[in-house]
Amino acid sequence: EVQLVESGGGLVEPGGSLRLSCTVSGFAFSNYEMNWVRQAPGKGLEWVSYITGSGGTRYYADSVKGRFTISRDNANNSLFLQMDSLRVDDTAVYYCARESGPPSGPFYFDYWGQGVLVSVSP
Amino acid sequence: DIQMTQSPSSLSASVGDRVTITCRASQGISTYINWYQQRPGKPPKLLIYGASTLQSRAPSRFRGSGSGTDFTFTITNLQPEDFATYYCQHSFNTPYTFGQGTKVEIK
Repeated sequence: EVQLVESGGGLVEPGGSLRLSCTVSGFAFSNYEMNWVRQAPGKGLEWVSYITGSGGTRYYADSVKGRFTISRDNANNSLFLQMDSLRVDDTAVYYCARESGPPSGPFYFDYWGQGVLVSVSP
Repeated sequence: DIQMTQSPSSLSASVGDRVTITCRASQGISTYINWYQQRPGKPPKLLIYGASTLQSRAPSRFRGSGSGTDFTFTITNLQPEDFATYYCQHSFNTPYTFGQGTKVEIK
């Protein structure tokens, strides 16, 4: 059974840092691209970041570029999101999601974690 | 960046109804569009990928169509468990933008 479990959320002051983790099981982690998606309270979904299976290529939303860093540890089936210089508008539930699809696409997020809440407040 | 304009933002329907949601991309995305269902307090669930392919665990009353810039998501014979929020998402390139969402409510 495929499972994705996020951890590391919590309450932090503006300007602070947090590191989210996503531990996966039930599939060959290194074969899959992974993503982070967030959802502010009462709002829609916002794609945050992407990383290839090898970790060699990473992309970010403009809203987090330069502040967030995505990484992975394939030996330990873990995905990470290092969040620095946090702002009040980063408050959201953060989901990790597995990306699937053939090499040329289309691509889709077929498995999601339950999400972890990050609250940024003075 | 590609923008996804989803409509309507909400709708009211009854059990057994047919419901249609549309999504327009700001530029051509071939069939690189996915549709997700999200119930309150839960993560999104993939229903349709590649514009029209039904995810293996999704019921057949969910259907997607379209290519290029205009796409349609349809639920036929609406069931009580279908009252939720639905999102389109393109996967043509990053950023993988989502539509604003459509909340399907009970009439």
